[in-house]
Amino acid sequence: DPKIIQKPKYLVAVTGSEKILICEQYLGHNAMYWYRQSAKKPLEFMFSYSYQKLMDNQTASSRFQPQSSKKNHLDLQITALKPDDSATYFCASSQVWGHSQNTLYFGAGTRLSVL
Amino acid sequence: AQRVTQVQPTGSSQWGEEVTLDCSYETSEYFYRIFWYRQLFSGEMVFLIYQPSFDTQNQRSGRYSVVFQKSFKSISLVISASQPEDSGTYFCALSELITNTGKLTFGDGTVLTVKP
Repeated sequence: DPKIIQKPKYLVAVTGSEKILICEQYLGHNAMYWYRQSAKKPLEFMFSYSYQKLMDNQTASSRFQPQSSKKNHLDLQITALKPDDSATYFCASSQVWGHSQNTLYFGAGTRLSVL
Repeated sequence: AQRVTQVQPTGSSQWGEEVTLDCSYETSEYFYRIFWYRQLFSGEMVFLIYQPSFDTQNQRSGRYSVVFQKSFKSISLVISASQPEDSGTYFCALSELITNTGKLTFGDGTVLTVKP
């Protein structure tokens, strides 16, 4: 059974709309992350959270807002969607943020298409 | 600046053969780790193995091992006795330990096909 659940698996949106990507992890981890994989680009780090607090933000646009309602949840709200936001968004988690033994485990991703 | 390069966009092997996938990287840090992940056709990313920069011993995990050439800043993933189920995209990723915020720098990936 998958330990990191991302919902939905596929998402189609229109330009200018707003969507929320859901991520829940059942690994008992304290740190969670978002990565993005755009077409023909490698995975790119977006955010890291530790105990529900933002630790690192490498996303220039404020249209991307992580939301953590529980320690094992890290959703990603994207507003004013643009076609360039089309990508697969991966959620990941690790036992502890900032530890030298950190190993990230990834979910299956949400594939977002913005028309 | 960090950079990870996987020069082989694709690779193939026959069932039972050993497969080697190459990765090179750039970093100015002394302490770092190199990870290998496999992306299944479903899109799921699976952690395979990692190599710490300070460990001179090549790491091994089941049928996966690495050949770490620190002075050349290169690392290869070796899959022994490859199987069709090993097909997928393999990513190399770099994590600098001093600022270990969970930020991995990924390569473009190598798509491996193992033929039955």
